[in-house]
Amino acid sequence: AQSVTQPDIHITVSEGASLELRCNYSYGATPYLFWYVQSPGQGLQLLLKYFSGDTLVQGIKGFEAEFKRSQSSFNLRKPSVHWSDAAEYFCAVGPNSGGYQKVTFGIGTKLQVIP
Amino acid sequence: NAGVTQTPKFQVLKTGQSMTLQCAQDMNHEYMSWYRQDPGMGLRLIHYSVGAGITDQGEVPNGYNVSRSTTEDFPLRLLSAAPSQTSVYFCASSARGDSGNTIYFGEGSWLTVV
Repeated sequence: AQSVTQPDIHITVSEGASLELRCNYSYGATPYLFWYVQSPGQGLQLLLKYFSGDTLVQGIKGFEAEFKRSQSSFNLRKPSVHWSDAAEYFCAVGPNSGGYQKVTFGIGTKLQVIP
Repeated sequence: NAGVTQTPKFQVLKTGQSMTLQCAQDMNHEYMSWYRQDPGMGLRLIHYSVGAGITDQGEVPNGYNVSRSTTEDFPLRLLSAAPSQTSVYFCASSARGDSGNTIYFGEGSWLTVV
């Protein structure tokens, strides 16, 4: 069965500092991997996704993530955090197959940005 | 584009009452889903549909019913609300096709059962 672990429930960074959110997954083959962001009172929005090719994936809002098969990780990074990045971030894994995907979400990492 | 629209945004129910959460999408997506979000649990799949007339259970289906009479609409029914169903509910849709399609979420429905 597929699973996702986000080891950090809450992270605080200073505005302008770099950010890395950790994500580890469990899946038998090469999975589809996603990062979603949820602003307070809102639904989830896709930041980026990986399913093949270049292991460094660029997303919206200046985020990127790197797929590392050997470490079963898909960490999210941003070089300089803005106050508007304060939100909750969800890593997700889906099966590499056709048809409806039962995507499994992590429990989320809540990001606080301080001035 | 409206995307995925959910109503109501907020609802308070008494234990034992029934209600329906409405969901509509205007992207002509074949796949639709309902998730619930609870602190420390992430999002968990309740029910999903791969097309009109076809529904199936997800991870936590008990206490919920769904139907899919049209491509656009996917209502979620709580038959007899329980305090354990206090949660935030998200409807989502995605296109049929290659795996890895983006899932589009509604803005959520906050439900409290007292």
